[in-house]
Amino acid sequence: EAGVTQSPTHLIKTRGQQATLRCSPISGHTSVYWYQQALGLGLQFLLWYDEGEERNRGNFPPRFSGRQFPNYSSELNVNALELEDSALYLCASSLVGRGGGAKENEQFFGPGTRLTVL
Amino acid sequence: RKEVEQDPGPFNVPEGATVAFNCTYSNSASQSFFWYRQDCRKEPKLLMSVYSSGNEDGRFTAQLNRASQYISLLIRDSKLSDSATYLCVVNRGTGGFKTIFGAGTRLFVKA
Repeated sequence: EAGVTQSPTHLIKTRGQQATLRCSPISGHTSVYWYQQALGLGLQFLLWYDEGEERNRGNFPPRFSGRQFPNYSSELNVNALELEDSALYLCASSLVGRGGGAKENEQFFGPGTRLTVL
Repeated sequence: RKEVEQDPGPFNVPEGATVAFNCTYSNSASQSFFWYRQDCRKEPKLLMSVYSSGNEDGRFTAQLNRASQYISLLIRDSKLSDSATYLCVVNRGTGGFKTIFGAGTRLFVKA
């Protein structure tokens, strides 16, 4: 069974540009999560999509946005890129986003997109 | 105070040693708990979910103490391949369902 996939693997942009990152969840998973991990730092929760709706977002400015498509794949958009946006962006999926037991909430990660802003 | 706290380490242990990690969480409404491992510059990989009754998977044992709000991970008979960063993860349901990752504990297992 295919895992979570993300594209592109690497992305290089300049300040002020926009970046679009893509994620395909594990088949049957309806929840998608986005995280930012700057070099040497922990994972910071960005966004959570469940059944096509944004359910929660972390402490990030509005220029970080995204959406979830009817097939549950997701897109993360970062507008007006800043140097400090350089990081590994990880996508994860789970069976369900809330309720259920631990098993339903287990998140499985894709390999990430490494964004570099010059 | 961070919502999920872990000792950053690093823990340096010889092969064959037993090592234990603790993690505390501040939100009493937290619902589910996990341990992940993350290798350098790779994505986190689920190690195990943590159940109220405690659970074991081979050399790994996880425990949850809701009264004291901490979870633990015990690794027995450490292998070189266990060297990684171990992340404590908590899902909470209040204030909007959210997954909180601890900053991780670095483990080095040496021959």
